[in-house]
Amino acid sequence: AQKITQTQPGMFVQEKEAVTLDCTYDTSDPSYGLFWYKQPSSGEMIFLIYQGSYDQQNATEGRYSLNFQKARKSANLVISASQLGDSAMYFCAMREGHGGATNKLIFGTGTLLAVQP
Amino acid sequence: DGGITQSPKYLFRKEGQNVTLSCEQNLNHDAMYWYRQDPGQGLRLIYYSQIVNDFQKGDIAEGYSVSREKKESFPLTVTSAQKNPTAFYLCASRFGSGEAGELFFGEGSRLTVL
Repeated sequence: AQKITQTQPGMFVQEKEAVTLDCTYDTSDPSYGLFWYKQPSSGEMIFLIYQGSYDQQNATEGRYSLNFQKARKSANLVISASQLGDSAMYFCAMREGHGGATNKLIFGTGTLLAVQP
Repeated sequence: DGGITQSPKYLFRKEGQNVTLSCEQNLNHDAMYWYRQDPGQGLRLIYYSQIVNDFQKGDIAEGYSVSREKKESFPLTVTSAQKNPTAFYLCASRFGSGEAGELFFGEGSRLTVL
C-alpha cells in the first residue's frame, strides 16, 4: 500500500539559512507523483512543488527545491534562505496511480517549521 | 478572482445533528475532493468526484455524504452517524486528468461538536 512518512514533527531554522524537510514514500507503482504543500496558521493548503517519478532532474521553484532520490524513495524539500513567512506546517503528498483515473493524494503527517529571527 | 470558497469557516453543532459544509469553485475544474484533517495528522480523503453526478468514497467515507449536481459545487454533509466529527475540513479541486496537476484547496471549515 502507498504510504508517506515524515519523521520530523517540528524543526527550527535561523532566518536566511537553508533547511531540509524529510519525506520518504512507499509504493509499488512505477508511475507516481510527489507534492509538497505549505499550510500556514490560516489553514489553507498552498502548493509548493511537484516531482514526477520519471522526471530526470530535481524540481525547483524559486527558493524551493525537491531532492528526489528514487532508489532511496525519498523526496526531501529544501528551502533556501529561510524567511519568517516560511513558518508553517509542511506536508509531503503522493499521487496514487497514473494520474488520470483519480489523482487522489495521500499525505504525510507534516512537519512544523519555525523560522527564528 | 478564481478560487475555491468554503463556508462556513467555523461551525458548531450539537450531537445528533446533521450539518452541511459548502464548497464552491469557479476554476472550471473537473475533479473535486473533500479531506479531513485532525491535529497531528495529515489529510485523509473522505469523498471525491471526477465529473458531475458521479462521486466515489475515499478512505474515511463512513458518516459522510456528498452530492455533485453542478460542476462548481461539491457540498459535504456530516451526518449524525459520524462518531467523531470535530475536525478541520478541506475542499480541493483539480483540472483535468494529466500526470501532474496539483490540487487547489479552499481555506477550510472547522467543525466543532458540542
